[in-house]
Amino acid sequence: AQSVTQPDIHITVSEGASLELRCNYSYGATPYLFWYVQSPGQGLQLLLKYFSGDTLVQGIKGFEAEFKRSQSSFNLRKPSVHWSDAAEYFCAVVLTGGGNKLTFGTGTQLKVEL
Amino acid sequence: GAGVSQSPRYKVAKRGQDVALRCDPISGHVSLFWYQQALGQGPEFLTYFQNEAQLDKSGLPSDRFFAERPEGSVSTLKIQRTQQEDSAVYLCASSLVGPGEHYGYTFGSGTRLTVV
Repeated sequence: AQSVTQPDIHITVSEGASLELRCNYSYGATPYLFWYVQSPGQGLQLLLKYFSGDTLVQGIKGFEAEFKRSQSSFNLRKPSVHWSDAAEYFCAVVLTGGGNKLTFGTGTQLKVEL
Repeated sequence: GAGVSQSPRYKVAKRGQDVALRCDPISGHVSLFWYQQALGQGPEFLTYFQNEAQLDKSGLPSDRFFAERPEGSVSTLKIQRTQQEDSAVYLCASSLVGPGEHYGYTFGSGTRLTVV
């Protein structure tokens, strides 16, 4: 079945440590790929997106993500986490030629220890 | 406006009551989407409009759910005879471009519906 998987429900890191959030997708073709962040009581904010081209994508707030076709993955990374990064992170896809709707993973809750 | 505006922010409904949730997209945005986000879950697609046309309503969970966008701007999501399982945050998003192009949605802050 077609799906977006975020294997880690919760992740805790220390402030200043590096971060990697995992995302895998299961589709026949390469979809458009997105990472969103959601703070409590807030809507979803786009961090970055990948359509084609360079597989390393830079986003806002110092985040980056790398698309690996061979692994069907689009992992989110940040070299040094700040306490304000604590939030829920969602990976999402749009199927190429499949309309415009985003399909989300179940999310990863990030906790930052001071 | 500067962003996507949703109202009310919070709604408590008694089981069986009808509710209407409003979404004001960014001016000029062609596409409008509704999502349902249950507690601890990712958002689930409900329906999609391109201007006033509802092009995809495959995610609406039952015929109690109805959405409209009569003039291609403001949209209303209506839930009839609410049930406890309808309790969720309802997110609206708009996008400047239409099908075949995608630059990312702008999401509103959502309406938290609690059915008691």
